[in-house]
Amino acid sequence: AQKVTQAQTEISVVEKEDVTLDCVYETRDTTYYLFWYKQPPSGELVFLIRRNSFDEQNEISGRYSWNFQKSTSSFNFTITASQVVDSAVYFCALSDNAGGTSYGKLTFGQGTILTVHP
Amino acid sequence: GAGVSQTPSNKVTEKGKYVELRCDPISGHTALYWYRQSLGQGPEFLIYFQGTGAADDSGLPNDRFFAVRPEGSVSTLKIQRTERGDSAVYLCASSALAQDEQFFGPGTRLTVL
Repeated sequence: AQKVTQAQTEISVVEKEDVTLDCVYETRDTTYYLFWYKQPPSGELVFLIRRNSFDEQNEISGRYSWNFQKSTSSFNFTITASQVVDSAVYFCALSDNAGGTSYGKLTFGQGTILTVHP
Repeated sequence: GAGVSQTPSNKVTEKGKYVELRCDPISGHTALYWYRQSLGQGPEFLIYFQGTGAADDSGLPNDRFFAVRPEGSVSTLKIQRTERGDSAVYLCASSALAQDEQFFGPGTRLTVL
């Protein structure tokens, strides 16, 4: 069965510090997709990134970067020079073809609460 | 350029009552999803529609929960004989294709007294 583990329940940093959010996943499929979502205090989930299992290149988008390592089944997310506006709950998620349902279902981790202090 | 919309934003009901929650996906998105999020938890999958049909309803907790999408656009999640344990935020999402990123609505907060 699919599983996503975000071992860090809460992280607290001071503005301008770098912070890495960990995500470990489990799947039996060879083709799967990994996602990160941000849930700010307003509550609406905001899509950040989607990676497929065949693309292990790290990705950078502004202050955000993602490190995908199939060897350790990890898809970690780093925020460089954190800002107060980065304070939110961050979710890692996985979709695969388990049961032949063609990737429709997202399995989420428990989330990591990030607080950035001024 | 509207996103996913959900109504109502809040619903308070009494134990045993019937409720309907509505989701209006992004125009043109064929895939629609329902999730449930309890406090302090990640969203939990309920059901996924591809067009008008339910492609995967494995997350519906029991037969009190039912969802429809009769014309392949708007969807309604129906909960019969509500229980206090059904209290949660119900999230709807849509995507162009099943493996694409899912765009979420603001959710409906359901409180069962």
